[in-house]
Amino acid sequence: NAGVIQTPRHKVTGKGQEATLWCEPISGHSAVFWYRQTIVQGLEFLTYFRNQAPIDDSGMPKERFSAQMPNQSHSTLKIQSTQPQDSAVYLCASSLVTGSNTEVFFGKGTRLTVV
Amino acid sequence: GDSVTQTEGQVALSEEDFLTIHCNYSASGYPTLFWYVQYPGEGPQLLFRASRDKEKGSSRGFEATYDKGTTSFHLRKASVQESDSAVYYCALSEDSNYQLIWGSGTKLIIKP
Repeated sequence: NAGVIQTPRHKVTGKGQEATLWCEPISGHSAVFWYRQTIVQGLEFLTYFRNQAPIDDSGMPKERFSAQMPNQSHSTLKIQSTQPQDSAVYLCASSLVTGSNTEVFFGKGTRLTVV
Repeated sequence: GDSVTQTEGQVALSEEDFLTIHCNYSASGYPTLFWYVQYPGEGPQLLFRASRDKEKGSSRGFEATYDKGTTSFHLRKASVQESDSAVYYCALSEDSNYQLIWGSGTKLIIKP
């Protein structure tokens, strides 16, 4: 079990460019989450998929952020027209099922730097 | 809505000191409470959880007791080591909501 795999680990983009972040959840996990982490804001929920279906994207900045899960083995987070304030660590997580007792497993994150 | 409050943003201790990190929560129902730990360059990982009043969770010398009366789940360790340096997050989850509600995190610095 390799855990949740996120690629790339680091990404530098110029302001206005597009960034695509990849996540491979743990095999068999039906729930996939995306979070953004900054020193100022801490851990921020972005979006949640269950059995590949988007369930909640209430944390996503609507205009430039989008997430997809085309199959059970990977999810992508796309940021269009990146801005310096998008610089953060983006964390993907997965879990077997969702419930109050469920452990969530995180990847190592992708550090995005917008210059 | 539900919330988790960690009052210490950073705690600096020497090796073998006693650690307390405070966590208080507000929830409409009866949540499960978690402590996660995040080491540099890693994602958060579960330290332990507790689901019932007075239940004690523990792992690697860390422990916390679910206290419904004071709505608290304080993290304690009797003797910290340099390897405990990390960020610690308190979180809660309710049956009615798939989301984890996170505290702001506490950075633990252990001076050798």
